[in-house]
Amino acid sequence: NAGVMQNPRHLVRRRGQEARLRCSPMKGHSHVYWYRQLPEEGLKFMVYLQKENIIDESGMPKERFSAEFPKEGPSILRIQQVVRGDSAAYFCASHPGLAGGVGEQYFGPGTRLTVT
Amino acid sequence: QKEVEQDPGPLSVPEGAIVSLNCTYSNSAFQYFMWYRQYSRKGPELLMYTYSSGNKEDGRFTAQVDKSSKYISLFIRDSQPSDSATYLCAMIPYNAGNNRKLIWGLGTSLAVNP
Repeated sequence: NAGVMQNPRHLVRRRGQEARLRCSPMKGHSHVYWYRQLPEEGLKFMVYLQKENIIDESGMPKERFSAEFPKEGPSILRIQQVVRGDSAAYFCASHPGLAGGVGEQYFGPGTRLTVT
Repeated sequence: QKEVEQDPGPLSVPEGAIVSLNCTYSNSAFQYFMWYRQYSRKGPELLMYTYSSGNKEDGRFTAQVDKSSKYISLFIRDSQPSDSATYLCAMIPYNAGNNRKLIWGLGTSLAVNP
């Protein structure tokens, strides 16, 4: 019974490079949320996706950040031209969708991005 | 002002103590009130949640919501060293529809000393 998987667990990028973070939801889950955790700011919602659809991206920075959840494969959070301020832990959470209850948002172990 | 306020602590208690954690919020639209536990270098794990006002108990944990005061609490009875973690409150607004995005407090770091 695999839980939510995220990879890589740790990612180091130099300023200006691209970072790709992957999230494989739990089996049968078609909805994914991405959150970012900064040390002094706590967890912040970034984006909510269903397969092939972005439902709510109100928490995503307007530039450099994008997310997708294709019909097949994991959800991807992409950060272009990373800056030091992007260093954070990025968590995804999966949810079964309409059939699921409020408490059925399960978190992955996170990807820790360090920008040098 | 942040939508959800939570004292980050740290909070240090002896084993067996009753722990009280709390959050305040400003958005009247919040309807679901969640408590998560996060161990170092791990993802958040749901402890329990409450819909609207009232109390909910699960083993050693009790969650309380007072919507009139916009104040929620989590009580841990007979605390154990294994309870040492960061406790995060999170909320979902009523008008979210099927969108269950969580609005988070900062988290309170708890250490239970043997």
